[in-house]
Amino acid sequence: DAKTTQPNSMESNEEEPVHLPCNHSTISGTDYIHWYRQLPSQGPEYVIHGLTSNVNNRMASLAIAEDRKSSTLILHRATLRDAAVYYCILRYGNTGKLIFGQGTTLQVKP
Amino acid sequence: DGGITQSPKYLFRKEGQNVTLSCEQNLNHDAMYWYRQDPGQGLRLIYYSQIVNDFQKGDIAEGYSVSREKKESFPLTVTSAQKNPTAFYLCASTPIEASSGNTIYFGEGSWLTVV
Repeated sequence: DAKTTQPNSMESNEEEPVHLPCNHSTISGTDYIHWYRQLPSQGPEYVIHGLTSNVNNRMASLAIAEDRKSSTLILHRATLRDAAVYYCILRYGNTGKLIFGQGTTLQVKP
Repeated sequence: DGGITQSPKYLFRKEGQNVTLSCEQNLNHDAMYWYRQDPGQGLRLIYYSQIVNDFQKGDIAEGYSVSREKKESFPLTVTSAQKNPTAFYLCASTPIEASSGNTIYFGEGSWLTVV
């Protein structure tokens, strides 16, 4: 199975951009890259997902490397409400199995 | 509104008891998943199912059992064989069509505590 690797924690100042990296060097051609975030004792919340091309939505942008072995979640202007654990997830194409990274805890300082 | 519902939110288990966590979805999703999360840790896959009457073990299936008799339901039983069951349990669902890269839906989670 594919595997994802994320830094344990990152810090950002409010109103500044944040780049959250994820390595998935064993990704296969049919694996989608998903990003979710989670607050304590809650279910994860959808942020963004993509396959090959960079993606933008109202919450964030997803930059996917050309070889697809890594991706970066970009929060353009961090707010205090963006403080959460961010998970990079591969949806394993053929089986539908979801593979979670260990998550990055994002702290946002006012 | 469509969604995925877990119950109960909080559950206490005595030593030696089996308990069952409910997960129901009305999204017509084929695939359903159960994850365990320990405090300050990431999610670990217990079981998953892609179709009715079929399911596969995840990374930490020992001490757990599941059934998938209906498409919308995927209950998880924590058996007495699970020696350290205190954790936060999350259920998820998604359509099986991988080509569409569909969003994954998560329940709100269930806290299980051994007393």
